[in-house]
Amino acid sequence: AQSVTQLDSHVSVSEGTPVLLRCNYSSSYSPSLFWYVQHPNKGLQLLLKYTSAATLVKGINGFEAEFKKSETSFHLTKPSAHMSDAAEYFCVVSGGNTGKLIFGQGTTLQVKP
Amino acid sequence: EAQVTQNPRYLITVTGKKLTVTCSQNMNHEYMSWYRQDPGLGLRQIYYSMNVEVTDKGDVPEGYKVSRKEKRNFPLILESPSPNQTSLYFCASSQQGGGNQPQHFGDGTRLSIL
Repeated sequence: AQSVTQLDSHVSVSEGTPVLLRCNYSSSYSPSLFWYVQHPNKGLQLLLKYTSAATLVKGINGFEAEFKKSETSFHLTKPSAHMSDAAEYFCVVSGGNTGKLIFGQGTTLQVKP
Repeated sequence: EAQVTQNPRYLITVTGKKLTVTCSQNMNHEYMSWYRQDPGLGLRQIYYSMNVEVTDKGDVPEGYKVSRKEKRNFPLILESPSPNQTSLYFCASSQQGGGNQPQHFGDGTRLSIL
C-alpha cells in the first residue's frame, strides 16, 4: 500500500531565505510523486511531479524536489522564499492504476517579511 | 482556458435535504474524481470515474453518489446530507487514470450541513 507523511505541519521562514518542506513516502512499487500547492480559497495547483525519470525534479515558481529512494524521501525546496509562497503544500503519491492520489496531511508555509 | 468548474462554491443547508454539486471539465479528460478535505487529514478520495458510465468507490464513499453520463460532467450527489459531511470538496480530472497522471483541480465547494 502507498502512504505519504509530511514531517512538519507548519514551517515558518523569512522572505529571501531557503524553504525546505519534508516528505517521506511508502510504496510497494516505483511510485509517482507530486507536490501540490493550495492558496486560500483556491484549488490545488501542481508544482512538480516525479515519474521515474530524473531524480531532481524542477517545478514552477522556482521549486524543486529530489527523489531519494534509499531514504524514501521527496523533499521540496526553494532557494529564496517570496511572500507569495505562503500557502499549504501537499506531498502526494499515486495510488496505482485507479488514478487515486494519496495525500499527506499538508504543510502550512508562513513567510515573514 | 483549461479548467475544472465546480458549482456551487459555497452552500449552507440542512440535514436530509438532497443536494448536488456539479463538476465540469473542458479538457476532454477521461478520468474524473471527487475528494473531500478535512483539517489534519489532507484530501481523501470519495469516488472516481475512469470513463463514461464507469465509476467506482474511493476511500470514503458512504453517503455519496455519483454518475458519469457524459465525459465532461461528474456530479456528486448527497441524497440525505448529514453534519459529518460538512467539508471542503474538490473535483479533479486527468487525461487518463494511470499512476503518473497529474490531476487538475477545481476551486472547491465548501458545504455546511446544519
